[in-house]
Amino acid sequence: DVVLTQSPLSLPVPLGQPASISCRSTQSLVYSDGNTYLNWFHQRPGQSPRRLIYKISIRDSGVPDRFSGTGSGTDFTLKISRVEAEDVGVYYCMQATHWPWTFGQGTSVEIK
Amino acid sequence: QLVESGGGVVRTGDSLRLSCAASGFAFQKFGIHWVRQTPDRGLEWVAFIRSDGDWEKYADSVKGRFTISRDNSKNSLYLLMNNLRTDDTAMYFCAKGSPFGTPVGSDAYDVWGQGTRVIVSS
Repeated sequence: DVVLTQSPLSLPVPLGQPASISCRSTQSLVYSDGNTYLNWFHQRPGQSPRRLIYKISIRDSGVPDRFSGTGSGTDFTLKISRVEAEDVGVYYCMQATHWPWTFGQGTSVEIK
Repeated sequence: QLVESGGGVVRTGDSLRLSCAASGFAFQKFGIHWVRQTPDRGLEWVAFIRSDGDWEKYADSVKGRFTISRDNSKNSLYLLMNNLRTDDTAMYFCAKGSPFGTPVGSDAYDVWGQGTRVIVSS
């Protein structure tokens, strides 16, 4: 199975400051069609995950442009340009290239 | 929108059937997944069924015990869980997959249900 390793696992960030989360895969996530199916999700306590970004860098509708995704192959990054209070929670990367689909272990973002 | 139901507290070896009711999109055109979450193991993909119901995939941990199915006439998804084990204890979510005719991973998990909790005790 593809293992996704996120770092850091805990990320305290002052309001208005940037944040960056890394997601590294044990295999290339490039699919046979040339696309890379790497997604990012945000989950608040007691809620279901919400997709923020798909195919590395495409923001979902309604996702603020302070969120951005980059990367290729096996290394990916989620960046928040200026952290706001509503951004607290756990962020997960997830790959949908290889069965079984797998998730990273999650990065908890809190306000410092 | 996706709304799960059917969770509960059961004993090891018991069976349980989860349901997921869909609305607000053309259910019959999309694959659907079950995903579960525990504090220890995090998010774990469980099973997938294609839009027409003719292709299913399962995580190794549930293969042979769980069966995913759907009724497109009722906009509903199901997960029959047999021979439940304590490590099946989790919050179970249904999540919308990609549209038929596109790569399975191309646009998945943009819609999730609120989850239904399954507790398996020994």
